[in-house]
Amino acid sequence: AQSVTQPDIHITVSEGASLELRCNYSYGATPYLFWYVQSPGQGLQLLLKYFSGDTLVQGIKGFEAEFKRSQSSFNLRKPSVHWSDAAEYFCAVVPPEYGNKLVFGAGTILRVKS
Amino acid sequence: EPEVTQTPSHQVTQMGQEVILRCVPISNHLYFYWYRQILGQKVEFLVSFYNNEISEKSEIFDDQFSVERPDGSNFTLKIRSTKLEDSAMYFCASSELENNEQFFGPGTRLTVL
Repeated sequence: AQSVTQPDIHITVSEGASLELRCNYSYGATPYLFWYVQSPGQGLQLLLKYFSGDTLVQGIKGFEAEFKRSQSSFNLRKPSVHWSDAAEYFCAVVPPEYGNKLVFGAGTILRVKS
Repeated sequence: EPEVTQTPSHQVTQMGQEVILRCVPISNHLYFYWYRQILGQKVEFLVSFYNNEISEKSEIFDDQFSVERPDGSNFTLKIRSTKLEDSAMYFCASSELENNEQFFGPGTRLTVL
């Protein structure tokens, strides 16, 4: 079935440690790819996006993501996590030939321990 | 920085009542969307709107739902007769172009009793 998968429901990292959040998609062609973050009581804020071109994209707040076509993945990374990064992170895609709706993964809750 | 705003932040209603959720998209954006997130579940697409008409809707968006852009700034979602299962966080979003990044509002939490 066509979908977006975030295999980790919760991740806990220590402040200053590196972070990688996984995202896989299953569509025949490459969709447009996004990462959003949601802090408690807040809306969804766009961290970064990939449409085409360079497969390593830089976003806000020091985040980056790498598109790997062979693995149908778009993993989010940050080299050094700050306590303020604690939030829920959503991978989302605009599927090819499916108009412009976003299809979201289930989200990964990031906890940061000091 | 321009942002999408939504009112109210929290709405409590009785089952069977009509509710209208309001959104003010970013002013130069042309595409508008509603999504919802039932507690503990994924964010789900409801409807997209462009040029004063629905461009796409999901199977969730049945006859009980409608959207409207009553003036140059507001974008509303109406639920005609609410059900318990309509309880969710409803997000409005807008984008400047088709297939471009969508900017989300803070959401309206709807509780149906």
